[in-house]
Amino acid sequence: EPEVTQTPSHQVTQMGQEVILRCVPISNHLYFYWYRQILGQKVEFLVSFYNNEISEKSEIFDDQFSVERPDGSNFTLKIRSTKLEDSAMYFCASSDEQTETQYFGPGTRLLVL
Amino acid sequence: AQSVTQPDIHITVSEGASLELRCNYSYGATPYLFWYVQSPGQGLQLLLKYFSGDTLVQGIKGFEAEFKRSQSSFNLRKPSVHWSDAAEYFCAVGPRMDSSYKLIFGSGTRLLVRP
Repeated sequence: EPEVTQTPSHQVTQMGQEVILRCVPISNHLYFYWYRQILGQKVEFLVSFYNNEISEKSEIFDDQFSVERPDGSNFTLKIRSTKLEDSAMYFCASSDEQTETQYFGPGTRLLVL
Repeated sequence: AQSVTQPDIHITVSEGASLELRCNYSYGATPYLFWYVQSPGQGLQLLLKYFSGDTLVQGIKGFEAEFKRSQSSFNLRKPSVHWSDAAEYFCAVGPRMDSSYKLIFGSGTRLLVRP
């Protein structure tokens, strides 16, 4: 069964450093998403991406964040200058046009020190 | 604003007992409704979804959920819980608007299963 994959599973970084979280969505999906879950809190929407552009973003998704689909398979989330409060589990998801059901990857746990 | 409420933070049931996890949503129209499960260290796995039609939907692992428009609820049920069902369960709604596909999640219910 096709699934969304994410790398790395864990990342530790120093405050102010750049991180790139990588995702490989399900191959025939056209919509891509990033969500995050701060420890003990709700899963929160960050951004959606379709047709090579951002279709929607939350207020969390400020200028420090960017997304990219650098090739036909990968979807990345970049945080330019990490802050302590960026520590969270980051989930990638993808969906197709027909089912509109989002399938999630296993997540990347980011720890900013 | 759209919101999802899962009033139970923790629920403990004995193995073999029945289970009901509550979910209420606030939204002007009928949204898309989902239940996801997150096992420790794992991602979010889709259990079931409701888009339209029959208000009782069947999912994986023996779960079902019933959409009740009058109560703005989408409660998850299982007739007999297994120890492997111990996990965190999230209810989510999709706004069902052309320009927005984001999911709004509840705060989750952690299920503990007693042997």
